Order: sequence, then structure tokens, then C-alpha cells
Amino acid sequence: AQKITQTQPGMFVQEKEAVTLDCTYDTSDPSYGLFWYKQPSSGEMIFLIYQGSYDQQNATEGRYSLNFQKARKSANLVISASQLGDSAMYFCAMREGNTGNQFYFGTGTSLTVIP
Amino acid sequence: NAGVMQNPRHLVRRRGQEARLRCSPMKGHSHVYWYRQLPEEGLKFMVYLQKENIIDESGMPKERFSAEFPKEGPSILRIQQVVRGDSAAYFCASSPGQSNNYGYTFGSGTRLTVV
Repeated sequence: AQKITQTQPGMFVQEKEAVTLDCTYDTSDPSYGLFWYKQPSSGEMIFLIYQGSYDQQNATEGRYSLNFQKARKSANLVISASQLGDSAMYFCAMREGNTGNQFYFGTGTSLTVIP
Repeated sequence: NAGVMQNPRHLVRRRGQEARLRCSPMKGHSHVYWYRQLPEEGLKFMVYLQKENIIDESGMPKERFSAEFPKEGPSILRIQQVVRGDSAAYFCASSPGQSNNYGYTFGSGTRLTVV
């Protein structure tokens, strides 16, 4: 089974609107971390936001928030007030345990912000 | 404080040649991770190293690929006798420790093209 599933290959959003990028995960480890990364066309991977499995509140970082629904094993990224510079690939990732060595990445969602 | 530095950004090799990819972690980071991104896919874990030690190489192909992180100098990912299927973006990430809270800092990647 896939550890991370991103079912939206491509998304479009109007500038200044909010958009939700879906991510579901699969693990039997009670301790894990969930991450979102942005990859613009230039290719670098930019860390956006982190959510720990024991965190009681949803993580927020500026215009980014993570809608963490543990029972559903989902960790959707919400981007508020979209900007043209948000157009990029977005990857959801998971790390298992407190000292897991690797990240498991989804296949990504391509977001296009329309002016 | 420079980020994770990878070089070269782009590398072209003929089939059968060797490719050497370099990664200098962020200052103060002693943990290095290599990932490979095939076209239209997410990143896949290859290897995790600390200074002078390979901790986890479960994602490395059994042949032709090797990695090192010497006491002095950058981490090197070496691919011998490259084939067309090795064409991909190779990313290096570093962290100061293993805790889940660390959103690894990724470099900008090396894009290897095998012709």
C-alpha cells in the first residue's frame, strides 16, 4: 500500500481564493510526522509546514494551514489568499517514528493560480 | 548561513560514464539524506549518512550506486556506468538531528541526464 496518496494531479485556483490540496497517509506507527513541501518550476524543495501525530492542534504557518484529521488519516494543506507565486508542485510527505530515516513522498499536486 | 549546496545543478553523462554528485550540508548539520526524483514522481529515499557512516542505505540500488560522507568535505553520491534509467533529479537534504520536528532542508538538486 502507498504510504502517501495525493489524488489530485492538478488543481486550479483563482488568485486571492483559498485552495485545499488533499493528502492521505497509511501507517501503523502511532508516532509520525507529516510534512508539506513546495517545488516551484526552478526545482528546489521548500519546506512549508509540519504536523506531529500527537499534536492536538492543526499546524499553521502564515497562509498555510494543515487540516489534520487523524481518524481519517488525512493531512490536507490549505493555502489561503492564493498568490501567483503559489503556482508550483506540492508534495505531502510522512516520516514514521521519532527517528525514522526516510520521508515517504506522494506523487504531488500541480497547483496553478489564475490571475 | 548558506543552505544545502548541491553541485553541479545539471550534469550530462554518456552511457557507461561515472557521475559524481556533491552535497554540502547546512552549517551545523551532521545528517545527510539523498533522494531521487524520477520525472512526474515524488522523491524516493536512497541513503542516510552521518559523518563517516552510512546509517541506512535501504533505498540504494544494489549495484553501481555508492555514497559517502567523509569527515572533511561534502557528501558524494557516485553512480558508476550510468544508464538512461539513471536520468533523474537527485536531491540532498540535511538536518541537525533525527527528531520528527526537523523539516529537512533540501538542496536545489542535481539534474542528471544520461545520453
